[in-house]
Amino acid sequence: TQLLEQSPQFLSIQEGENLTVYCNSSSVFSSLQWYRQEPGEGPVLLVTVVTGGEVKKLKRLTFQFGDARKDSSLHITAAQTGDTGLYLCAGEYSNSGYALNFGKGTSLLVTP
Amino acid sequence: SAVISQKPSRDICQRGTSLTIQCQVDSQVTMMFWYRQQPGQSLTLIATANQGSEATYESGFVIDKFPISRPNLTFSTLTVSNMSPEDSSIYLCSVTRLAGVTDTQYFGPGTRLTVL
Repeated sequence: TQLLEQSPQFLSIQEGENLTVYCNSSSVFSSLQWYRQEPGEGPVLLVTVVTGGEVKKLKRLTFQFGDARKDSSLHITAAQTGDTGLYLCAGEYSNSGYALNFGKGTSLLVTP
Repeated sequence: SAVISQKPSRDICQRGTSLTIQCQVDSQVTMMFWYRQQPGQSLTLIATANQGSEATYESGFVIDKFPISRPNLTFSTLTVSNMSPEDSSIYLCSVTRLAGVTDTQYFGPGTRLTVL
């Protein structure tokens, strides 16, 4: 199993602040996905990164894939209370076809 | 994208009983996946279900405990057998779809299981 380390595990910030979540592995992934999960729901895909060094923007969210395709980051600018949730990174690993190996997640709380 | 539904959405069960969870997808897919998410934890793959063949289980999961059916290309079931409180988790099914040049996984809403 290829391990994905996510940090921080918990994050509590105020509206308007910026934050970065990190996802690191010792293995190379063919692609890496970021999900957001709210209580009582399944994970919802935010973005897929494929190319080393790739940067993708989704409104106030910026995703970066490391040059070596072993790490990724999610940066949120001017956080809003609606950003509260569990953020999960997941890498595709080959032993089970297209199944994903998930990090432990970052639980984000944004307060007014 | 993919529209995935799961039944039941939640259940409370007694120790020693079994529960079958259903997963329905809006169109045909080759592979379906079953994950478990224990309280406060991330997702762990239980097994991969292909239509017409036995499911492939990950280390730590066995067919006797988590039998899976995949009768057609839009449906699968996962049974949690002889339940104990340690089986209390959210169980999620997912499918893979090609989105652009990459395969993307989409998840159902999950089934929240509590075992007393």
